[in-house]
Amino acid sequence: AQSVTQLGSHVSVSEGALVLLRCNYSSSVPPYLFWYVQYPNQGLQLLLKYTSAATLVKGINDFEAEFKKSETSFHLTKPSAHMSDAAEYFCAVSDPNTGNQFYFGTGTSLTVIP
Amino acid sequence: EPEVTQTPSHQVTQMGQEVILRCVPISNHLYFYWYRQILGQKVEFLVSFYNNEISEKSEIFDDQFSVERPDGSNFTLKIRSTKLEDSAMYFCASSLAGIYNEQFFGPGTRLTVL
Repeated sequence: AQSVTQLGSHVSVSEGALVLLRCNYSSSVPPYLFWYVQYPNQGLQLLLKYTSAATLVKGINDFEAEFKKSETSFHLTKPSAHMSDAAEYFCAVSDPNTGNQFYFGTGTSLTVIP
Repeated sequence: EPEVTQTPSHQVTQMGQEVILRCVPISNHLYFYWYRQILGQKVEFLVSFYNNEISEKSEIFDDQFSVERPDGSNFTLKIRSTKLEDSAMYFCASSLAGIYNEQFFGPGTRLTVL
């Protein structure tokens, strides 16, 4: 069965500091992995996705994530946090053997402190 | 930029009543989905829909739920005889293709069952 674990339901960083949001997955086959962001009163917006090409994936707004098979991880990072990065972040996994559905983590709320 | 829209943004209903949540997917997309998120819990897959029929559904999607694409633009989720535990945020999503394809999410409908 597929599942996603996001460690830390709330993360606070100072403006300009490194952002690290953790995501670990379990999957019986090489998965496809996604990070979505949700700003207040908006839908989930795709930040980036891993689809078995390069293991280091770059997304929008200077976010990137690295797929590490040995650690079953897909952590999201950004070198320098902006106030506008404050939002809820969701990691999701898609397993080709089980169809189109996404399996989501519980989300991490990012607060950026000025 | 095309986006998925959902109405209403917030729906309050009495236990036992029927509700219909509405979604307008992106116009050229072929796959449609409903997810829900109970407060403080994971975003959970409910159902996917393709070619005018359900392609996958989770164990949550029991006989109480139904989906319909009544015309060329709307995609609806009906909950018959709502229960207190149906209170959640319901997200609609659509994708151009199936497996591995980015799913575009709407802003959600918050359903409160009293």
